[in-house]
Amino acid sequence: EAQVTQNPRYLITVTGKKLTVTCSQNMNHEYMSWYRQDPGLGLRQIYYSMNVEVTDKGDVPEGYKVSRKEKRNFPLILESPSPNQTSLYFCASSLSLAGYEQYFGPGTRLTVT
Amino acid sequence: AQKVTQAQTEISVVEKEDVTLDCVYETRDTTYYLFWYKQPPSGELVFLIRRNSFDEQNEISGRYSWNFQKSTSSFNFTITASQVVDSAVYFCALSLTDSWGKFQFGAGTQVVVTP
Repeated sequence: EAQVTQNPRYLITVTGKKLTVTCSQNMNHEYMSWYRQDPGLGLRQIYYSMNVEVTDKGDVPEGYKVSRKEKRNFPLILESPSPNQTSLYFCASSLSLAGYEQYFGPGTRLTVT
Repeated sequence: AQKVTQAQTEISVVEKEDVTLDCVYETRDTTYYLFWYKQPPSGELVFLIRRNSFDEQNEISGRYSWNFQKSTSSFNFTITASQVVDSAVYFCALSLTDSWGKFQFGAGTQVVVTP
């Protein structure tokens, strides 16, 4: 089954404790992206990757890191999480850029206390 | 700067009523793509439609229809004869060909359909 998977689905952590949210897709998609969803703000793009070893900042990259060492994986790293990073995070992938629809993972609910 | 505005925060209708969701976008690009996604209460994001800037034809898919008007920079979405299963948050999104990889989403419109 074609899908985007994220782990963990739920995470409660404390300020400053490094964490990684994994994202994997099995559709051989070139493009992957991370978003955060907050009430009243819709989805805001954090980082995206156009292919292996090619990443770029979205609108809200501060406090996040990403890497794309393999085509299928695109982990999101929070080196020192803060309470304002409490959010619902989505990973997405698409065949290529711009005109292609994105397939979204199920989301990761992160709470930073 | 690019921007997507969904001015309606929440729309409540009774089943079988029609509902129209507004989406207004801003861009200086001549080539771009517009999307609608649905987020039901279960939380997943579901792709509904894609439209490129050169194709102003309206589209109908079952009870869903979309009206794209470049003159007013709008890409509105209508659900005809709404059903309870249409209750969801709907997002409009913009993708630009000169900012490869960047997507702008609107804030979303919550649609509540009551029996």
